[in-house]
Amino acid sequence: IAGITQAPTSQILAAGRRMTLRCTQDMRHNAMYWYRQDLGLGLRLIHYSNTAGTTGKGEVPDGYSVSRANTDDFPLTLASAVPSQTSVYFCASSEDPGRGNTEAFFGQGTRLTVV
Amino acid sequence: GQNIDQPTEMTATEGAIVQINCTYQTSGFNGLFWYQQHAGEAPTFLSYNVLDGLEEKGRFSSFLSRSKGYSYLLLKELQMKDSASYLCAARDSNYQLIWGAGTKLIIKP
Repeated sequence: IAGITQAPTSQILAAGRRMTLRCTQDMRHNAMYWYRQDLGLGLRLIHYSNTAGTTGKGEVPDGYSVSRANTDDFPLTLASAVPSQTSVYFCASSEDPGRGNTEAFFGQGTRLTVV
Repeated sequence: GQNIDQPTEMTATEGAIVQINCTYQTSGFNGLFWYQQHAGEAPTFLSYNVLDGLEEKGRFSSFLSRSKGYSYLLLKELQMKDSASYLCAARDSNYQLIWGAGTKLIIKP
């Protein structure tokens, strides 16, 4: 089934540990995004990539890093987790952010708890 | 700054009509999106407006007024399965989506 897949679906992580959230899409979309969603707040953009080989910082990039070695994969790394990074993380992709009605497709989310 | 405002929660009756409003302030504007998000699930696309006016898609319609920085999502013939959060998002001059916090819609029988 075509789409966007995240792993793991949930994780409890000790503070100070390193963690990589995985995201893979098979739709050959150019753009990919990482958001976090917290209660009472809108989706907030962490990092994005408009095409393979390029990345950019979003609204809340501190404490996170990304890479885009190829079109399909866009991993998000927390170098040293802190409790404020407890959130639900969504990966998304879209065909071309600069072109008309390019809806974003979302993965099922990763629920991360940092203790 | 950039900002999206929408009501936190609304309640409506099965079979009725509900209108969810959204106002936006962004640096530039390249379209307005509505997404539906059921509890514990990912957001899914509902509608897109870039020109003023009403876009109708089955039971759902979305309206945009660019001059007023205003949009609404209209849901007709409400069904219990429409209970969800509805997210408004505006695309700015950098083609990034700015998201509202979402409106939780509760449908009562």
